[in-house]
Order: sequence, then C-alpha cells, then structure tokens
Amino acid sequence: GIQVEQSPPDLILQEGANSTLRCNFSDSVNNLQWFHQNPWGQLINLFYIPSGTKQNGRLSATTVATERYSLLYISSSQTTDSGVYFCAVDPPTSGTYKYIFGTGTRLKVLA
Amino acid sequence: NAGVTQTPKFQVLKTGQSMTLQCAQDMNHEYMSWYRQDPGMGLRLIHYSVGAGITDQGEVPNGYNVSRSTTEDFPLRLLSAAPSQTSVYFCASSPHIAATNEKLFFGSGTQLSVL
Repeated sequence: GIQVEQSPPDLILQEGANSTLRCNFSDSVNNLQWFHQNPWGQLINLFYIPSGTKQNGRLSATTVATERYSLLYISSSQTTDSGVYFCAVDPPTSGTYKYIFGTGTRLKVLA
Repeated sequence: NAGVTQTPKFQVLKTGQSMTLQCAQDMNHEYMSWYRQDPGMGLRLIHYSVGAGITDQGEVPNGYNVSRSTTEDFPLRLLSAAPSQTSVYFCASSPHIAATNEKLFFGSGTQLSVL
C-alpha cells in the first residue's frame, strides 16, 4: 500500500521562527489534507490541498502531486502552534476516502 | 452547529466486555468514519460510511462493527474488548464526496482502556 512519510519527526523552535514540514507519499493520491493535533488531543483541519498552494494567515501549504510531496509552512511561529502536524492522503487505488495518515511531525514552540 | 460529537470521552472496560462508542454530526455530512490513534502513531482507519445504509472496512476493522441507519449517527461497537483495543478513538465526517472542499472534521475523541 501507499507509504506516507513526514519529516522531520520532531522540531523545536523559538517563538517567531519559521518552519517547513514535509509530507512525502509513495503513490498518486486523490486528496491530501493537513491537520494539527493540539496538546489536548483535538484534531483541526488546516488545509484540504490535493494540488497547488493555499494560504491561511501564517500557515500555507503546497502540494506537488506529480512529484508526490506536500509542504506545510509555518511563519512567525507562536506557542499555540505546538502540537503534532499530520498529513493524510487518499489513494485512488484504495477506493473512496480511505485516508492514510503519516506518523506526524511533533512541533514545540518555545516562548 | 455542534459539529462532530463523540461520547463518552473516557471509558474503562474489562477484557471481554462489549460497548458502543457514539458519534453524531449535525452538518448533514454523507461521509463518516472511525479512526484509532495509538501512541507515537498516526491515525488508522477502522470503518467508514459514504451514506446511510452503506459501510465499508478500513485498515484495521477486526474486532469492530459499525452501522449507519441515519445520516447523523455512526456508532462503533466493540463486541468483546481486548487489551489491544486500548487506544484513542476519533470519529470524523466530511461533506458529500463530490463536494469541492472535502475537509475531514473530527470529534474530540474517546480514550478507551481495556484491562
């Protein structure tokens, strides 16, 4: 089946720093989404981005489907950005909506 | 809108007991799903449904049953709990699969411990 790899696995930043999180996938996908799991366990959808670039405030994401990767950019990081960031992909060979999650990037932003 | 509501938030079971995790959404979403999250891992799909009366298996369906009698509700049943089912369970929903923005919305999770 499709493999989803996220890097780096762990990241520690000072408040105000920028970062780039990467999601590589081993096969073509129908859909791709990015999620933030906060320290209380809540999963928040950040982007639905099967291709192209989207921006939402300090966050932006780019998916290059032909090269099988997606990037999540966090600018001017804040302590509230701490948590785990997951990408999830929906491969066309698996049927409808069988999202496969990566193992995540754990981000800690220090004040 | 309340979004996706999961109950209970915490549950402790003994091996062999059965129980049902409840999930309800009030967004008229056609797609609903159940995931489990184990420490240090991403989420794994247990079962999903693309509409009332339609369910299918995900990556890790063994030991779990689901049904979808209404658009709003998608309960997950553990028939005979095992310690390997200790996990955090998340329910998610999404608009119609042909929608232009098919974001997944998650409930707040159920932490289940099986002793």
